Amino acid sequence: EVQLVESGGGLVKSGGSLRLSCAGSGFTFSRYSMNWVRQAPGKGLEWVSSITSSSYIYYADSVKGRFTISRDNAKNSLYLQMNSLRAEDTAVYYCARARTYYDFLTGYPFPDYWGQGTLVTVSS
Amino acid sequence: DIQMTQSPATLSASVGDRVTITCRASQSISSWLAWYQQKPGKAPKLLIYKASSLESGVPSNFSGSGSGTEFTLTISSLQADDFATYYCQQYNRYPYTFGQGTKLEIK
Repeated sequence: EVQLVESGGGLVKSGGSLRLSCAGSGFTFSRYSMNWVRQAPGKGLEWVSSITSSSYIYYADSVKGRFTISRDNAKNSLYLQMNSLRAEDTAVYYCARARTYYDFLTGYPFPDYWGQGTLVTVSS
Repeated sequence: DIQMTQSPATLSASVGDRVTITCRASQSISSWLAWYQQKPGKAPKLLIYKASSLESGVPSNFSGSGSGTEFTLTISSLQADDFATYYCQQYNRYPYTFGQGTKLEIK
């Protein structure tokens, strides 16, 4: 059974830092792209960042330069280092595995399994 | 960035009804679209990928269609468990983008 368990959320002051972790199990972690998606209180879903199995990295403009995604395949873990946090970063942060569908030689990864989320609250 | 627009924002329906939610992309995304269901306090759940492929374990009363810029999610006969918020998401290119969500309420 695929499981994703996030940790590391909490209350932090504006300008502060936090590191989120996501532990994956039940699948071969190294073979999958992984994502962070967030949801502000009462709002919709917002994609934050992705890291492919080959460690290509993508960020939303809203976090570029402040957040860093990384992975440790030996530990089956995904990370999100969040610096210079702002009040608008307050959200539940979900870790999501991505399944890749190949169209000829191009892969199109999409989130399939999601963790339960971890809440990050940034106080101003 | 590709903008995704869902309609309606809120939908009131009864058990047994057939409902359709629409998602429009600001540019062509071929068929690279997924639909998710989210219940309060829970993580999203994948329903449909590649616009019309039903995820394993998802009831067959859910279906998706469309390509290019216009897509629909149809629930053929609403069950009590289907009342939730639904999101579309494009994965044609980064940055990935979601629709704003459609809240399906009990009439």
